[in-house]
This record gives sequence, structure tokens and C-alpha cells, in this order.
Amino acid sequence: EPEVTQTPSHQVTQMGQEVILRCVPISNHLYFYWYRQILGQKVEFLVSFYNNEISEKSEIFDDQFSVERPDGSNFTLKIRSTKLEDSAMYFCASTLTGPTGELFFGEGSRLTVL
Amino acid sequence: DQQVKQNSPSLSVQEGRISILNCDYTNSMFDYFLWYKKYPAEGPTFLISISSIKDKNEDGRFTVFLNKSAKHLSLHIVPSQPGDSAVYFCAASAFYGGATNKLIFGTGTLLAVQP
Repeated sequence: EPEVTQTPSHQVTQMGQEVILRCVPISNHLYFYWYRQILGQKVEFLVSFYNNEISEKSEIFDDQFSVERPDGSNFTLKIRSTKLEDSAMYFCASTLTGPTGELFFGEGSRLTVL
Repeated sequence: DQQVKQNSPSLSVQEGRISILNCDYTNSMFDYFLWYKKYPAEGPTFLISISSIKDKNEDGRFTVFLNKSAKHLSLHIVPSQPGDSAVYFCAASAFYGGATNKLIFGTGTLLAVQP
């Protein structure tokens, strides 16, 4: 069964460092998302991406965050200068038809900022 | 800003009985609702959805009920099985209104099905 894959599964970084989280969505999907879950809290929307551009972003997704789909398969989330409060599980998701279709999530990348 | 609320952080049910998970929302623009299941160290997995033009959707052991006037939905699992033990998230979107394509998640309910 096709799946969304994410790397790394866990990354530990120092505050102020840049981090890139990578995702390979399901190959025929058209809509891509990043969500995050801070420990003990709800899953929060960060950004959606369609047709090679950001279609929507939340207030969390400030200038420190960026997304890219550089080669038609990978979908990356970059945090330019990490803060302690960026520590969370980051989930990539993709879907063929937008959110009314099944949204497939990856297993997540745990980011720990020290 | 809790637009989607799951007021029960946990629920314990005996195997074979019905599990009822509840969700309330405040935004009247929401027109599409979903339930996701999450095991530890895994991403959420889609279970079932319902659009605002319906009040019930059924898929095997899972049924979602929507009460628009009360801004309330519930997920029924019957019969419950030990493998159903997981965190269940309710999510909502205002997708059909054209305003957004993001999902707003509730805080989740941990379901424990006792053998």
C-alpha cells in the first residue's frame, strides 16, 4: 500500500540552528501539508501546498518556516533558526483530492530543540 | 481558540460493547468533518468522514453522526475490539465554502478497549 514517508524520524538540534524535515508524499497525490503536534497538545495545521505554491498557511508558519518541492517527489519543511518552542512532532500529509479525500499522514519527524 | 473540542480526554470500554466518542465545534462555517485514529509513534490514520449535507455515515463497525443544529458529532464503534485502542481525533474543515483547505483538529480522546 502506498504511504507517505518522512525523514528523519527524530532530530535533535541546538536552538538557532536550521533544520530540514523531508517528506515523500504518495506519488500521484496533488495536495501536500505539514502539521505539527506539540507533546500533549492537538495536531495543528502549518501549511498547505498545491500546484507548486503555498495555498494556505497558519499564523504559526512565520518567516522562519519555508516549504519546497524541489524535484517533484520530495516535499521539505525548513525551519531557518529553531526555537525551543519548535520542539514537536511534525507530520507530513498528502491527498489526491483536497481535504475531502482521505488525507494520508506520514509517521512523523520528532524535532527536539535544546 | 478551540474551534473543535473533544471534552473527554479518555474513554474505557469493554470488548464487544459500543464506544461513543464525542466532538463539538463552534465554527458554523465548517462543512466537512473527519475522524482520525492515532497509535503511538505513528501518524494519524483516516477513519471516516461526513459532509454537512448528511447526518449519518456508516462504514463497517464505524458510524459517524452529525447534529448540525447542536454543532455536535459523534463516532460510534460497535462492537469495540482491543485493536481499536488508540487516540481518536475529530477534525473539521470549511472546504466546501471555499475558504480553506486546512483541517482543524480536536485534542483527541484516548480509547481503551478492555478484553
